[in-house]
Amino acid sequence: GPKVLQIPSHQIIDMGQMVTLNCDPVSNHLYFYWYKQILGQQMEFLVNFYNGKVMEKSKLFKDQFSVERPDGSYFTLKIQPTALEDSAVYFCASSSEVSNERLFFGHGTKLSVL
Amino acid sequence: GEQVEQRPPHLSVREGDSAIIICTYTDSATAYFSWYKQEAGAGLQLLMSVLSNVDRKEEQGLTVLLNKKDKRLSLNLTAAHPGDSAVYFCAVSASSGSWQLIFGSGTQLTVMP
Repeated sequence: GPKVLQIPSHQIIDMGQMVTLNCDPVSNHLYFYWYKQILGQQMEFLVNFYNGKVMEKSKLFKDQFSVERPDGSYFTLKIQPTALEDSAVYFCASSSEVSNERLFFGHGTKLSVL
Repeated sequence: GEQVEQRPPHLSVREGDSAIIICTYTDSATAYFSWYKQEAGAGLQLLMSVLSNVDRKEEQGLTVLLNKKDKRLSLNLTAAHPGDSAVYFCAVSASSGSWQLIFGSGTQLTVMP
């Protein structure tokens, strides 16, 4: 089936550094999402992005977070600066215009902030 | 806002038995309901989804039931096999016009040979 690729699978950084998580969504999808899953807890919505704009974000999407998809390349989540509580697995998802409620998820990027 | 509760957190069944996972939700305007499977170290795989105008859907050994009166969504795996062992999540759409999926807390299903 359709695949969403996330790069890297694991990222370790020091607190205060900047990190960029990359997502290669399904090729004809136009809606993009980031979700956060802390170990042992449920998946939580961060942000939805469409047509170059953030459509909706949750309270977890702090001011230090930003998303973009320049020129149809990777859909990225940037955290600057990182904090210890940002340690989690971040899942990217995408969906099509025809069926935008059906999300396809990547395998996740495990972010460890030390 | 929408609250989703999922049970049980852990479920062990023998191969060939059925396994039932239940989610309850609070917002009667919820329009979209889905079930995901997450295998160890992998992303979420969409298993089935239904809109609010569907009460029952069956596909490849899976049955999704939606009881809007009780605000209850269930997933029934008939004749489970060891390959079904994974964590299962329900996810529902938030209120109309929202892009958020609200996830349940997950059910760790173990199917023993």
